[in-house]
Amino acid sequence: QSALTQPPSASGSPGQSVTISCTGTSSDIGSFNYISWYQKHPGKAPQLIIYEVRNRPSGVPDRFSGSKSGNTASLTVSGLQPDDEGDYYCSSYAGSNFWVFGGGTVLTVL
Amino acid sequence: VQLQQWGAGLLKPSETLALTCAVYGGSFSGYYWTWIRQSPGKGLEWIGEINHSGSANYSPSLKSRFTISVDTSKNQFSLRVTSVSAADSAMYYCARRPFGSGGLMYWGQGTLVTVSP
Repeated sequence: QSALTQPPSASGSPGQSVTISCTGTSSDIGSFNYISWYQKHPGKAPQLIIYEVRNRPSGVPDRFSGSKSGNTASLTVSGLQPDDEGDYYCSSYAGSNFWVFGGGTVLTVL
Repeated sequence: VQLQQWGAGLLKPSETLALTCAVYGGSFSGYYWTWIRQSPGKGLEWIGEINHSGSANYSPSLKSRFTISVDTSKNQFSLRVTSVSAADSAMYYCARRPFGSGGLMYWGQGTLVTVSP
């Protein structure tokens, strides 16, 4: 039950777009659409920004979007803003009543 | 909806960690109540979850020492970890997941647990 694979870091300039990948297997991302993304700032609890691959909770800007292809899910942040800096984590259902997180990606707004 | 958690923050190796998460607002049924942890410098780790009926699921890699329980009379759920070691030092979070969804929408504030001789 390995963690999902995310790039350790990503970056972009204000106004640009950045995409963070999350790679799993046919047993998790490839089989289920229960894929979520979380934003985490230091010292704070994670915040849900995407659920069920592409749905945004109320209050989350539409600059955040999610997608999935095969065993890989992706989070795209458009129109980067300084406040978008932080850690981003993906999560997926892995079957057998078990959930798994990715290792996290540190997003830097240059 | 608010989740407020508490528990001992400093433990010695071999002791038992006990954390409780109280739920304020919203229904207690219809959700899975989840524990997640983050070790220093590492990513999030799913520990397990429980529903209002007491049916619990655990991470296969953590199962043996971890127990999640629920007290519906108080709208609380708890995590117990036996025989802790330094590897269990982490920030522990409680969170809520609706049935039929994977999103953890509401989180507790986190409890920092340190295991040190």
